[in-house]
Amino acid sequence: NAGVMQNPRHLVRRRGQEARLRCSPMKGHSHVYWYRQLPEEGLKFMVYLQKENIIDESGMPKERFSAEFPKEGPSILRIQQVVRGDSAAYFCASSPLIQGDGTEAFFGQGTRLTVV
Amino acid sequence: RKEVEQDPGPFNVPEGATVAFNCTYSNSASQSFFWYRQDCRKEPKLLMSVYSSGNEDGRFTAQLNRASQYISLLIRDSKLSDSATYLCVGKLTGTYKYIFGTGTRLKVLA
Repeated sequence: NAGVMQNPRHLVRRRGQEARLRCSPMKGHSHVYWYRQLPEEGLKFMVYLQKENIIDESGMPKERFSAEFPKEGPSILRIQQVVRGDSAAYFCASSPLIQGDGTEAFFGQGTRLTVV
Repeated sequence: RKEVEQDPGPFNVPEGATVAFNCTYSNSASQSFFWYRQDCRKEPKLLMSVYSSGNEDGRFTAQLNRASQYISLLIRDSKLSDSATYLCVGKLTGTYKYIFGTGTRLKVLA
């Protein structure tokens, strides 16, 4: 059972370009979360999705950032017109259909975005 | 006030020492808690869930005090391999949002 798969592991973009980060959840998991971790800081919640639905995007910047989790295929975090401040590690996590509040989330290895 | 607060450390301890981390949370609606471990430039990995009755896994003991709204992690007989950042995580009741503390850095010295 493969874990949460993220790609690419490393992504370099010039200012103004678009970045697309992909996340395939663990098999059987229907919930996906995206977190951002700036250097020397903790993980900040961005968005929570189920298949074809954005449930909570309270942590997403209002502009340039979007996320989707289509019926088929991986979840995508898209950053348009990247700026240097977008440089960070972006982690995706997944969890199964919640049976109780004690369900933990499992993380992918992250995508390290560098904007030059 | 941050929803989940931790002392960032670093905690530098000798091998074999016992070390304890505390974490406080502000939202009383937080229902579930976890400790995650994150190694440098790696993804967070679940260390253990935290139960109200307290729970132990080998050298690790977690406690939850709902009245005072804090969670603790105790590591006994520290190993060099325990060096990492330990993240306190709360999950709000009725939501699927996991709230992370900024982490406490531990360095175990030979």
